[in-house]
Amino acid sequence: SAVISQKPSRDICQRGTSLTIQCQVDSQVTMMFWYRQQPGQSLTLIATANQGSEATYESGFVIDKFPISRPNLTFSTLTVSNMSPEDSSIYLCSVEEGGRRGETQYFGPGTRLLVL
Amino acid sequence: DAKTTQPTSMDCAEGRAANLPCNHSTISGNEYVYWYRQIHSQGPQYIIHGLKNNETNEMASLIITEDRKSSTLILPHATLRDTAVYYCIVRVGTNAGKSTFGDGTTLTVKP
Repeated sequence: SAVISQKPSRDICQRGTSLTIQCQVDSQVTMMFWYRQQPGQSLTLIATANQGSEATYESGFVIDKFPISRPNLTFSTLTVSNMSPEDSSIYLCSVEEGGRRGETQYFGPGTRLLVL
Repeated sequence: DAKTTQPTSMDCAEGRAANLPCNHSTISGNEYVYWYRQIHSQGPQYIIHGLKNNETNEMASLIITEDRKSSTLILPHATLRDTAVYYCIVRVGTNAGKSTFGDGTTLTVKP
């Protein structure tokens, strides 16, 4: 199974600033996925990042707020821009791995963000 | 993804089997049943998945009813470390990265 790491593991930021979260996978993957988990809530998909093309955003999420980079097949970044307290969440990176019995999804440990 | 229904919370005694149900009455023929869990504030962890046959691995067993409208995740000997939110997801075997997570079941294993 894919091993995913994220940096930073947690951060406390001031409103109006931006934070870039890094995601590293131990194998080459075509797509990487970014999720958000607000306090007490379930996971919500933010966007899908393909290497060599622009990310695809889900409804309610825009590139200006959550710019994503995907420079190669093992790495991606998510930036949370112009942060407000409502952006306080856990941000999770995820990949999918194919198999004979369907694909499986793996997640990184998450980045816990608190915006003051 | 087909809609799933899970109980909000369940308790289990340490050392006993934990049986977590999931209803998915609108499941399509090509959709799998996946189970993940999320231990407090960590990233979700894949547990097991199946199409129509029962499945077992080192973590759990998955029992899918013959009509595939419901399933049960079984943790045979629950430990305190199994306390987590368990998510049942029904979807096709592709586009795994775009899973729709519901609210899941909060399992509390008690000593």
